[in-house]
Amino acid sequence: QVHLVESGGGLVKPGGSLRLSCAASGFTFSAYYMTWIRQPPGKGLEWVSYIASGGNTVFYADSVRGRFTISRDNADHSVYLQMNSLRAEDTAVYYCARAYGAGDSLYGMDVWGQGTTVTVSS
Amino acid sequence: DTVTTQSPLSLPVTPGEPASISCTSSRSLLNSNGYNYLDWYVQKPGQSPQLLIYLGSNRAAGVPDRFSGSGSGTHFTLKISRVEAEDVGVYYCMQAVQTPATFGQGTRLEIK
Repeated sequence: QVHLVESGGGLVKPGGSLRLSCAASGFTFSAYYMTWIRQPPGKGLEWVSYIASGGNTVFYADSVRGRFTISRDNADHSVYLQMNSLRAEDTAVYYCARAYGAGDSLYGMDVWGQGTTVTVSS
Repeated sequence: DTVTTQSPLSLPVTPGEPASISCTSSRSLLNSNGYNYLDWYVQKPGQSPQLLIYLGSNRAAGVPDRFSGSGSGTHFTLKISRVEAEDVGVYYCMQAVQTPATFGQGTRLEIK
């Protein structure tokens, strides 16, 4: 069964840090791009970051560049999102999803996790 | 950044009737490889988003054939030939021909 399970969310104060994890199972993890997408409460979807299959190429949304770092461990079938200098506007449900990619073009996020909630508040 | 604009934002539909959602991009989504990097997703109540259509017109695995995607360049359409009660949710288009990927605002489909 193809599966993604996120973890690591929680309540953190502004300026704090969190590390999200996404564990994959049931497919050849190293063959896929992996992405993080977030959804603020009551709002739409926002793409956050992606990492290419080999881990050598990463991209970030302007809103998180310089504060968030995506990484992956293909041996451990996991992708991570290190979030530093968190702000109230980072409050959201964070989803990981697998994707198909070529260069800096992405498509077909066909497997999504259940999401993990990050709340940034004092 | 590429702006993706959906319409309508709210779509009440009678079961059995067709429905259509438009997605317009501020730049062409046609890659040099000939594919349009435009996907459609639906988020049903209380669930994670799920893929419906990828690369403009390809149905994802398990998606009923009443869903279809069309368009090229900057204008795309998602059509549901006969809406069913289970289709309730928020539909998003997403472009990713070039980062940053961007989602449309979402279209809330409801049953009349």
